[in-house]
Amino acid sequence: GDSVTQTEGQVTVSESKSLIINCTYSATSIAYPNLFWYVRYPGEGLQLLLKVITAGQKGSSRGFEATYNKETTSFHLQKASVQESDSAVYYCALGDYSGTYQRFGTGTKLQVVP
Amino acid sequence: DTTVKQNPRYKLARVGKPVNLICSQTMNHDTMYWYQKKPNQAPKLLLFYYDKILNREADTFEKFQSSRPNNSFCSLYIGSAGLEYSAMYLCASSRVWGPYAEQFFGPGTRLTVL
Repeated sequence: GDSVTQTEGQVTVSESKSLIINCTYSATSIAYPNLFWYVRYPGEGLQLLLKVITAGQKGSSRGFEATYNKETTSFHLQKASVQESDSAVYYCALGDYSGTYQRFGTGTKLQVVP
Repeated sequence: DTTVKQNPRYKLARVGKPVNLICSQTMNHDTMYWYQKKPNQAPKLLLFYYDKILNREADTFEKFQSSRPNNSFCSLYIGSAGLEYSAMYLCASSRVWGPYAEQFFGPGTRLTVL
């Protein structure tokens, strides 16, 4: 079946340092998967951070970026310089073109320390 | 306004008793979703309404009911709560089809079954 794997449950990064959160996927029932990163800030609901619908393309938002790599089935989230306000839980997700089908990863909690 | 609202935010229920959770959105979205989120697990899609058509995931078919009396409201109903239903329940909505079919999430209802 379809699945999304996030290997790190929690990541701690010092402020102004770079970040990478890993995400790999397996899409067996979707011919052209869309890939997403959602973020949940403390006390708030899940919100879309960025989305890429075409393999080889890069999405970016709020200084974060992720490239849809079909060869390695990966969609890693990166940021060059994190801030304390980036502390949140980040979810990678896989979906289809309709938007009704989404499979989430287990999430990675990012803690940015001064 | 891109807000999805959920009521209540916290719900305490007794084993064997019914539970009804409410979700609303004013974005005129045609689709509304319910997810279950347990600690250290990925959000799991339970069901979604596309307009008036209910789609339930096969493995949760008999455990959850839902109704959508109008475009703005959607409920999640558990007829007889068990301990295993303790979780965060996330409601989301979207306008489906096309590359901009983003899901907007509510803050969640935390259900504790005792």
